[in-house]
Amino acid sequence: AQSVTQPDIHITVSEGASLELRCNYSYGATPYLFWYVQSPGQGLQLLLKYFSGDTLVQGIKGFEAEFKRSQSSFNLRKPSVHWSDAAEYFCAVGQAAGNKLTFGGGTRVLVKP
Amino acid sequence: DGGITQSPKYLFRKEGQNVTLSCEQNLNHDAMYWYRQDPGQGLRLIYYSQIVNDFQKGDIAEGYSVSREKKESFPLTVTSAQKNPTAFYLCASSIGPGGQETQYFGPGTRLLVL
Repeated sequence: AQSVTQPDIHITVSEGASLELRCNYSYGATPYLFWYVQSPGQGLQLLLKYFSGDTLVQGIKGFEAEFKRSQSSFNLRKPSVHWSDAAEYFCAVGQAAGNKLTFGGGTRVLVKP
Repeated sequence: DGGITQSPKYLFRKEGQNVTLSCEQNLNHDAMYWYRQDPGQGLRLIYYSQIVNDFQKGDIAEGYSVSREKKESFPLTVTSAQKNPTAFYLCASSIGPGGQETQYFGPGTRLLVL
């Protein structure tokens, strides 16, 4: 069965600093990978997704993620964090033969002024 | 505007009551999903539907029921058999079924047991 691990439950970062959120997955074939963001009390919004091709994927709000097959990772990055980036971030993996996404436990990002 | 609506935003349930959460989408999507979100546990799939009049159990279906009589609607009933229903419930939809499809989420319903 596929699984997704986000090792960091909370991350605190200063405004203007860089941010990296870790995501590791367990799946035999090439997965479909997603990053979503959730503001407090809201639904999830897609930041970016990876299916194939270039392993560096650009998303909305200045985020990017890199797929590393050898490390089974899909880490999310942003060069300079804004206060509005404070939210919870979820990594998810899907498989073509399946009908669902499996989500990680999420990483809550706090932004210090 | 196209999107997914969930109502109500907050819902209170007494012990032993069934309650129904509404989910409507006007995106013309075939597939719809219900997730439960608890702090620190991410999202867990309750039920999903690939097409009208069809649905399958997810990972935590016990104590829940659904129907899919119309393409745009996928209501979730939390029955009295669900022993710990307090949670945030999210509905999502995608163009079709499959793990490669992007899922679009509604704003959620927070259910509280009194």
